[in-house]
Amino acid sequence: TQLLEQSPQFLSIQEGENLTVYCNSSSVFSSLQWYRQEPGEGPVLLVTVVTGGEVKKLKRLTFQFGDARKDSSLHITAAQPGDTGLYLCAGGGGSQGNLIFGKGTKLSVKP
Amino acid sequence: KAGVTQTPRYLIKTRGQQVTLSCSPISGHRSVSWYQQTPGQGLQFLFEYFSETQRNKGNFPGRFSGRQFSNSRSEMNVSTLELGDSALYLCASSLAGGVRGTEAFFGQGTRLTVV
Repeated sequence: TQLLEQSPQFLSIQEGENLTVYCNSSSVFSSLQWYRQEPGEGPVLLVTVVTGGEVKKLKRLTFQFGDARKDSSLHITAAQPGDTGLYLCAGGGGSQGNLIFGKGTKLSVKP
Repeated sequence: KAGVTQTPRYLIKTRGQQVTLSCSPISGHRSVSWYQQTPGQGLQFLFEYFSETQRNKGNFPGRFSGRQFSNSRSEMNVSTLELGDSALYLCASSLAGGVRGTEAFFGQGTRLTVV
C-alpha cells in the first residue's frame, strides 16, 4: 500500500515566522502535488513537481521534490494569517491509478 | 472558465436512506474522481470515471457507487446510509487522470450528515 506521511500534523505559529512541512513515502511517485484547503471548501492546487530534485517557488512558498521522488517539502517564508489552512500533499501514479493523499498539515498563523 | 460544481452543498439524511450527489466537471475535463474526507482518515479515494467508464476504484463497500454521463457530469450514490458515512464528499476533475496523476481541480464538496 502506498502511503504519504505528512509532518507535522499541526503547526501553530506567529505571523512572520518561517516553517517547513514534510511529505514522505517509501514509494516512488511520478509527480507530487501540494494543495491548500480551507474549512468547508475543496482543496486548491498550489503546485505540481515532477522531476527529482525539482524546486518551485510561488511567492513566499518554496516546494521541493526529493531526488528519489519519494518525498517533498513545502517551506513558507514570513508566514501570514492568510496562509492558514490544511496543506495536503498528493502523489501521482498510485497503484489504483489515483492520487494518493497525505492526511495533511493543519497550519494556523496568528497575527 | 467555470470551476467544478457540486450539488447539493449540504445534506442531512437518516440512517438507512440512500443519497445521490452530483458533480459537474470543468468543461473539457473527462476524468472525474470522488473522495471522502473525514477528520480521522483524511482524503480517501472512492472511484474515478473517465469517458463514462469506471477506471479506478478505492476500497469502499459496494454501497458506494457512481456513474458518469456523456457530458462528463458524474453522480455518486450511497445506499443504506450508516452514521459513519457522514463526511465531506469531494469531486475532482482533471484532463486525463489515471496513472499519470494529472492535476486535480476540486469542487467545494457536499457535506453529508447521517443521523
